[in-house]
Formats: sequence, C-alpha cells, structure tokens
Amino acid sequence: SQTIHQWPATLVQPVGSPLSLECTVEGTSNPNLYWYRQAAGRGLQLLFYSVGIGQISSEVPQNLSASRPQDRQFILSSKKLLLSDSGFYLCAWSVLGSGANVLTFGAGSRLTVL
Amino acid sequence: SQQGEEDPQALSIQEGENATMNCSYKTSINNLQWYRQNSGRGLVHLILIRSNEREKHSGRLRVTLDTSKKSSSLLITASRAADTASYFCATETQGGSEKLVFGKGTKLTVNP
Repeated sequence: SQTIHQWPATLVQPVGSPLSLECTVEGTSNPNLYWYRQAAGRGLQLLFYSVGIGQISSEVPQNLSASRPQDRQFILSSKKLLLSDSGFYLCAWSVLGSGANVLTFGAGSRLTVL
Repeated sequence: SQQGEEDPQALSIQEGENATMNCSYKTSINNLQWYRQNSGRGLVHLILIRSNEREKHSGRLRVTLDTSKKSSSLLITASRAADTASYFCATETQGGSEKLVFGKGTKLTVNP
C-alpha cells in the first residue's frame, strides 16, 4: 500500500535560519508531488508541484524553494526564514488515474518562525 | 489564488442533525472534490464529483454539483461528534489537471 512520510512534524526556527522539510512516498511510482501551506484559520495555498524528477512548478513567488532529487522525494527549503513563513506545511501525492487527480496528504509539518 | 469558497465559514450543530456546506468556484472544472481535515492533521479525501455529474452519494455523504451556478454542496446526514472537522472543497480546473485549488474551508462542530 502507498504511504507518505513527512518530517519533521514540528519545527521552531529563528528568523534568518535555513529550512528543510522532507517528504517521501512509498508504494507508487512517478507520483505527482505537492507542497501546500496552511496559515492559521485559512485554506490551503499551493506552493509547488512536481510531475517528475527535477521538474518543479512554483505557484507563488516567495522565500521558499522546492526540489525533487528522486522520484518519490520532495524537499521544501529556504535559505533564510521570515516570520511570514510560519504555518502548517502539507505534502501530498497523486497519480492521475481515471482522469482525476486525487491527493493523499501527509500528516503535516508545523513551522513556527520566531 | 483561491478558487473555491466555502460557506458557511463555521457551522455548529447537534448530533443527529444534518450538516450542509456549500462551495462556489470561478472557472470551468474537470471535477470537484471534498476533503476533511481533523485539527492539526493532514487532509483526507472524501468524495469526487465530475463535471458531468449532478449528484453523488457515499455513505452518509451526499454531494451535488451545479456547473451552471458554479457551486457544490456537501451534505452530511445524521451527524456524529466524530464528524467534527474542517471540510474543504477543491477544484481541478480544465486544462490544469496537475493541481487542485482549495477553498478556505468550513469548520464543522457537532455537539454531543
């Protein structure tokens, strides 16, 4: 069965420090991978998505970047965190089947920037 | 950008009552999906309705889609305390099938 792992679950970082959140998927090949951010009390904002190794689409220009070094690995990074980067980060995967794109989410990583 | 907008933002009901949440969107879609999020957790897919469908059922869930009004509704019948969660609609837009755009969600509280 397919599983998605996301870590760390919780992170407290000072302003200006770097960030690396990692997401891995097991049990599937060539998934679409996604990073969403959820600010407190708000909906999900799509940050990045990837349809293959090395292929990254950015939805919102910002202080973050994403990489996909392996088929089932998706990494969200920042060189210098801002206070506004605080939020709940969710990784998700999908495999297009039956013409529909249904997402399976990880448990999320809560980032607090102080 | 936000595509779906859920209404109401928050809903509080008693166990056994029905809960109805609405979603409006702006552009043509391939399908519309509803997800559930328990507090502090990831989202879980509930149900998908395609643009050529008008109604779909899954257990206690009933989803309708009106493409002429660009709106959808999610009905949870005979609600339980365990249904307490936030519910989000997500749209897969035509020509952009790699991504889903989510609304801001409806926070449902079911009181025992």
